[in-house]
Amino acid sequence: GQQLNQSPQSMFIQEGEDVSMNCTSSSIFNTWLWYKQDPGEGPVLLIALYKAGELTSNGRLTAQFGITRKDSFLNISASIPSDVGIYFCAGHPSGNTPLVFGKGTRLSVIA
Amino acid sequence: DTAVSQTPKYLVTQMGNDKSIKCEQNLGHDTMYWYKQDSKKFLKIMFSYNNKELIINETVPNRFSPKSPDKAHLNLHINSLELGDSAVYFCASSQIRGRNTGELFFGEGSRLTVL
Repeated sequence: GQQLNQSPQSMFIQEGEDVSMNCTSSSIFNTWLWYKQDPGEGPVLLIALYKAGELTSNGRLTAQFGITRKDSFLNISASIPSDVGIYFCAGHPSGNTPLVFGKGTRLSVIA
Repeated sequence: DTAVSQTPKYLVTQMGNDKSIKCEQNLGHDTMYWYKQDSKKFLKIMFSYNNKELIINETVPNRFSPKSPDKAHLNLHINSLELGDSAVYFCASSQIRGRNTGELFFGEGSRLTVL
């Protein structure tokens, strides 16, 4: 089936640093979604992107839908301890309906 | 009010037992899902129901049987539990947008441990 390559797998950063993670696919996607999962909780939607080239912000988070429709990135500025968690990209492949998830980026923030 | 709620949150049981996990959503969505998250945190879709009809059934053993009494509920029954069934099971819901399944909203998860 469709696969998303999400990187990096894990990150250790200092509080206050900026973070960048991305997702790529070998095929075109119609939408890109970014989720965050806190320990013991379900994934929570952070940002949804629907058009190629779209750049959307949610507080300190910014995500972009790549022009080629085969990638997306998520940036977090000025990280804080509560940013700790697993970030998942997800997308709808062109012509298909099931949402495909990346394998997640585990973020650790050192105070 | 919790948008997608599932019970129980924790379930510890012996191999061979039968167990059920219940899910309810109050978002008015027309589609509900069950996902399995393994120890490596990979999220894998198991089932999807749209207006009580099964639309996705991934390669899941037939010991797993979803049931949707109405579009706000999707329960998961598991027969003859095996050690490999230990995982966190997430219920989710969404509103279909054209050909896409829309944005998924997840429950808090049900951690199943099979001894």
